[in-house]
Amino acid sequence: ETGVTQSPTHLIKTRGQQVTLRCSSQSGHNTVSWYQQALGQGPQFIFQYYREEENGRGNFPPRFSGLQFPNYSSELNVNALELDDSALYLCASSPIAGGKYNEQFFGPGTRLTVL
Amino acid sequence: QKEVEQDPGPLSVPEGAIVSLNCTYSNSAFQYFMWYRQYSRKGPELLMYTYSSGNKEDGRFTAQVDKSSKYISLFIRDSQPSDSATYLCATTRDSNYQLIWGAGTKLIIKP
Repeated sequence: ETGVTQSPTHLIKTRGQQVTLRCSSQSGHNTVSWYQQALGQGPQFIFQYYREEENGRGNFPPRFSGLQFPNYSSELNVNALELDDSALYLCASSPIAGGKYNEQFFGPGTRLTVL
Repeated sequence: QKEVEQDPGPLSVPEGAIVSLNCTYSNSAFQYFMWYRQYSRKGPELLMYTYSSGNKEDGRFTAQVDKSSKYISLFIRDSQPSDSATYLCATTRDSNYQLIWGAGTKLIIKP
């Protein structure tokens, strides 16, 4: 069974640029959630995708957007990068949407640095 | 005020000691409580979850929830150096998939 994978591992961008982060969900999982984890903080929920549609969103501006593909993999796109976007971006997959808090499996994350 | 408060530590204890990690929360609507462990440069992994008040034990780990005082705890018995990590508590409402997280406590087990 393949776990959740994310790419790239590290990324350095400059303010104002755009970035795309990728996530492959665990085999058999059709739901993907994205989190932002600033240094020394707990993860903050960005949004969740289920059946290729956004299935809930946290308190993040529209410049954070996402996609889910038919194979359940997902992308997180961030436009007009700001310095405060520097963080670890975590992807978590789960077998079904909603409520199954205890079945979210996390990837290793992408460390984004905005200069 | 944050919805979930957790002392960031670091908490340093000798190998073999009993470790107590704690969180407090403010919203009485929270029903499910989780503890995650996060090693450096890794994503969080679920250790324990409990529903409502009570205790749950799994090996060396015991999770405890006291809803009357809005206090959740994780106890680690016979702590090992491999337990050194950041421990995050998280909670959610009954049908709400969105997890609300504490900031995490960095735990160091000294050999």
